[in-house]
Amino acid sequence: EIVLTQSPGTLSLSPGERATLSCRASQSVSSSYLAWYQQKPGQAPRLLIYGASSRATGIPDRFSGSGSGTDFTLTISRLEPEDFAVYYCQQYGSSPFFGGGTKVEIK
Amino acid sequence: EVQLVQSGAEVKKPGESLKISCKGSGYSFTSYWIGWVRQMPGKGLEWMGIIYPGDSDTRYSPSFQGQVTISADKSISTAYLQWSSLKASDTAMYYCARLAYYDILTGMLAWFDPWGQGTLVTVSS
Repeated sequence: EIVLTQSPGTLSLSPGERATLSCRASQSVSSSYLAWYQQKPGQAPRLLIYGASSRATGIPDRFSGSGSGTDFTLTISRLEPEDFAVYYCQQYGSSPFFGGGTKVEIK
Repeated sequence: EVQLVQSGAEVKKPGESLKISCKGSGYSFTSYWIGWVRQMPGKGLEWMGIIYPGDSDTRYSPSFQGQVTISADKSISTAYLQWSSLKASDTAMYYCARLAYYDILTGMLAWFDPWGQGTLVTVSS
């Protein structure tokens, strides 16, 4: 099974700053089969990115995904107040696994 | 608008049974797999299993096989997650979500979108 490790666990930043979140897989992820989700307190997860770099419908272009193989990145170019949340990566597979999450908090 | 609406919060005692629901609308319910995901208090996301409402074909995560039952009633566009005997460790938020696609040949599941609002299950004596 592929294990996803997200880092850092918590990212403390100010609005307007750039956020860089990492998701590392224990084995190569086939064909960039990786998705990113955002979860705000008390809400369900929301799909942001699929196929490692494709934005889901309605997702602002300040969110971007990149990477391949074992190393993937979610970048938020300029943090808006509504972007402070927990972010999860997920690899597709016979048993889709989620990373442990990165919390982006207001500094 | 594609939407999944889940049933309300439940408070149960250990040993009791429970069935929670997830109703889809805004798309062809029988054409997409529906998945269930568990989130224990303060923890991350765990995939439990999926069902294809068109023919009720069901696949379970090895971690949840035998622990829960997933079913669907396509006539009312609703998927279900049920327990026959709840444990305190089943206390969690449970989400249903539509699977973008599932490759039956390779067993590969894709991403989940959209998600239901969640059903909080509390099991306590």
